Amino acid sequence: GAVVSQHPSWVICKSGTSVKIECRSLDFQATTMFWYRQFPKQSLMLMATSNEGSKATYEQGVEKDKFLINHASLTLSTLTVTSAHPEDSSFYICSATRQGVFKEQYFGPGTRLTVT
Amino acid sequence: AQSVTQPDIHITVSEGASLELRCNYSYGATPYLFWYVQSPGQGLQLLLKYFSGDTLVQGIKGFEAEFKRSQSSFNLRKPSVHWSDAAEYFCAVGAGDDKIIFGKGTRLHILP
Repeated sequence: GAVVSQHPSWVICKSGTSVKIECRSLDFQATTMFWYRQFPKQSLMLMATSNEGSKATYEQGVEKDKFLINHASLTLSTLTVTSAHPEDSSFYICSATRQGVFKEQYFGPGTRLTVT
Repeated sequence: AQSVTQPDIHITVSEGASLELRCNYSYGATPYLFWYVQSPGQGLQLLLKYFSGDTLVQGIKGFEAEFKRSQSSFNLRKPSVHWSDAAEYFCAVGAGDDKIIFGKGTRLHILP
């Protein structure tokens, strides 16, 4: 149990376009979802925290207008990279917490974004 | 502020040898500690976690970790590594609001 999926698993887009990444909790309702960014051979950097029905909380230095997060339901959060540029190319990973399970995050498989 | 230090960027061990990956944390209160493993191009899989109680924690895939408060450490160990253990290992500490702070990771290489 506690499976998190991401779609797409990889995406290539042209500079200036927008791309949406979905994060779904498949078999549980997620109380909170997190979005991370990971550069090659580096650690995970938390971008934002989102709760269903409320605005996401962004970490310092993350542009909220560039990385739009929508948490429309207890099982779905989306990250939209707007006006993407090559420097936005990265590995994006989401995670979710589950009600009643203390402090543990369940991670999705990640989405590889390449902006050309 | 909370932080996690993994002093070794790369570790190479021979298959069948024992393994210890180091992790030191900085946290004002009782820490919630995790070890995750990431295979190339994949998400993270939880190996084990420590919240309280017995300081020696058993995890999946034969891994264990020991919490030592006096040394602010949570080192990961395995008595005999397999080639399939080659991956990136992240130590992490739970912060406020369910956030997790990750160390920079240790890449494990296995020699045949």
